[in-house]
Amino acid sequence: GAVVSQHPSRVICKSGTSVKIECRSLDFQATTMFWYRQFPKKSLMLMATSNEGSKATYEQGVEKDKFLINHASLTLSTLTVTSAHPEDSSFYICSVEKLYGYTFGSGTRLTVV
Amino acid sequence: SQELEQSPQSLIVQEGKNLTINCTSSKTLYGLYWYKQKYGEGLIFLMMLQKGGEEKSHEKITAKLDEKKQQSSLHITASQPSHAGIYLCGADIGRYGGATNKLIFGTGTLLAVQP
Repeated sequence: GAVVSQHPSRVICKSGTSVKIECRSLDFQATTMFWYRQFPKKSLMLMATSNEGSKATYEQGVEKDKFLINHASLTLSTLTVTSAHPEDSSFYICSVEKLYGYTFGSGTRLTVV
Repeated sequence: SQELEQSPQSLIVQEGKNLTINCTSSKTLYGLYWYKQKYGEGLIFLMMLQKGGEEKSHEKITAKLDEKKQQSSLHITASQPSHAGIYLCGADIGRYGGATNKLIFGTGTLLAVQP
């Protein structure tokens, strides 16, 4: 199955700065990737669907200008949290769709101070 | 839109006891996934169910999908501390019918197993 690498695993940044999270599909050409957010002891909330070579599709309530998604190649999607604030602190995890299922990255814990 | 409700929200059991977690969908399920997670870590795939009435087992975990394909249950037999974590059911949205596929998750069940 697909192997998904997510980087960094954890990051601390100052309020007002931007943070980029990478999701790489190591052995599978992924036309579609997904970004999720998870609050402590809560479920995963789908933020957006990343589409290779086109604009991402955002779920209702997710700010497009706050969470910029770029999927420039079949192996890489990036999520940039712009002008981060403490309320953006969370666990972010990406996923790759394969033929019969989904593979997840190991996640990124973002802390905004 | 499709929603997945899990029950219970949280559960504490004594080691060795059996337990069941339920996942109920507002619409027919075309693919139902069960994952386990420790917060702050990645997801561990447990099982996927597609057919009404389907049942799968792996080690001490059994998952079932009802005939109407709107409810699934996850049963753990003789629980161990290693079973502790967050259990998530996920539904495949749009895999059939030409819509964009995506996976949405249930509300989650936090399981603690006391030694």
